[in-house]
Amino acid sequence: DAKTTQPNSMESNEEEPVHLPCNHSTISGTDYIHWYRQLPSQGPEYVIHGLTSNVNNRMASLAIAEDRKSSTLILHRATLRDAAVYYCILRGMDSSYKLIFGSGTRLLVRP
Amino acid sequence: DAGVTQSPTHLIKTRGQQVTLRCSPISGHKSVSWYQQVLGQGPQFIFQYYEKEERGRGNFPDRFSARQFPNYSSELNVNALLLGDSALYLCASSLEPYEQYFGPGTRLTVT
Repeated sequence: DAKTTQPNSMESNEEEPVHLPCNHSTISGTDYIHWYRQLPSQGPEYVIHGLTSNVNNRMASLAIAEDRKSSTLILHRATLRDAAVYYCILRGMDSSYKLIFGSGTRLLVRP
Repeated sequence: DAGVTQSPTHLIKTRGQQVTLRCSPISGHKSVSWYQQVLGQGPQFIFQYYEKEERGRGNFPDRFSARQFPNYSSELNVNALLLGDSALYLCASSLEPYEQYFGPGTRLTVT
């Protein structure tokens, strides 16, 4: 299973943009890049996913490097509710579609 | 719409006992996955079921087993409990092959 590398923690001020990086140098051509987040005392929550092109949804944007060896999750205006552990996951296309979680990045949002 | 539900919320068992955890997926979702999350770590994949068939299994001992019922609900069974089995057990459902929706988890404490 391909691995991802994320910083252990990051801090941001409320209402400012946040860029959460992820390195995945061993990504294969069929691996999708998924981001999930886990708020305190809750199960993980899907944020966004992409394959090659940048993606936007109501929660965030995903910027994928041209060589796909890294990606960045962008929260356009951080709120206190965005304080969570963010996981960058490579999801292959095998039959189980399992998610392999790393240790993630703990995002702290300062008011 | 109801999300993924899990029962019980909390459970305390003694070493050597057996435990059964239950999961009801989102209506219409035919795939259920189970994850174990030890405190301070990311979730680890245990099983995935689709249409009552096991489609993936993580690196867990045979003491762990699961099944999926015709209504797509699922049970996770753990036999001969060890102290190290203390964790948050998460269930996720999905419409293959898209994002997974996680339940709130069952907190298992083994004493």
